[in-house]
Amino acid sequence: EPEVTQTPSHQVTQMGQEVILRCVPISNHLYFYWYRQILGQKVEFLVSFYNNEISEKSEIFDDQFSVERPDGSNFTLKIRSTKLEDSAMYFCASSENRGAGGEQFFGPGTRLTVL
Amino acid sequence: GENVEQHPSTLSVQEGDSAVIKCTYSDSASNYFPWYKQELGKGPQLIIDIRSNVGEKKDQRIAVTLNKTAKHFSLHITETQPEDSAVYFCAAIDTGTASKLTFGTGTRLQVTL
Repeated sequence: EPEVTQTPSHQVTQMGQEVILRCVPISNHLYFYWYRQILGQKVEFLVSFYNNEISEKSEIFDDQFSVERPDGSNFTLKIRSTKLEDSAMYFCASSENRGAGGEQFFGPGTRLTVL
Repeated sequence: GENVEQHPSTLSVQEGDSAVIKCTYSDSASNYFPWYKQELGKGPQLIIDIRSNVGEKKDQRIAVTLNKTAKHFSLHITETQPEDSAVYFCAAIDTGTASKLTFGTGTRLQVTL
């Protein structure tokens, strides 16, 4: 069964450093998402991406964040200068369609720890 | 924007009993409501979803009901098994952009032997 994959599974970084989280969405999906989950809390939307541009972003997704689809398979989230409060699980998701017709499938997540 | 409330935050049932988790949403235009199961250290896994044109959907031991008038939807798990133990999240699609899922706060279900 096709699945979303993410690398690395765990990333430890120093405050102020840049990190890139990588995702390979399901191959025939066209819509891509990043969500995050701070330990013990609910999953929060960060950004959605379609046709090589951002469709929507949340207030969390400030200028320190960026997304890119550098090739036909990868989808990345970059945090330019990490802060302690960026420590969380980051989930990539993808869907074939949008809205009610587009079930979003999640990857296993990357645990980001900022020291 | 959409706001989703979820109750209870924790639920403990004995194996074989039923479990019910309830959610309410604020945006009457929302039309898609998925449920996700999250096991420890893993990503959310879609287990069932419902669209606003139906009131109930069932898949084996799992069912979801939707009351559009009251703006609430519920997950029902019958004949619970230890492997059902996990955190369950309800969600609603944001109809403004039709791309953003707004999640509830989660219910930790513990099925005891």
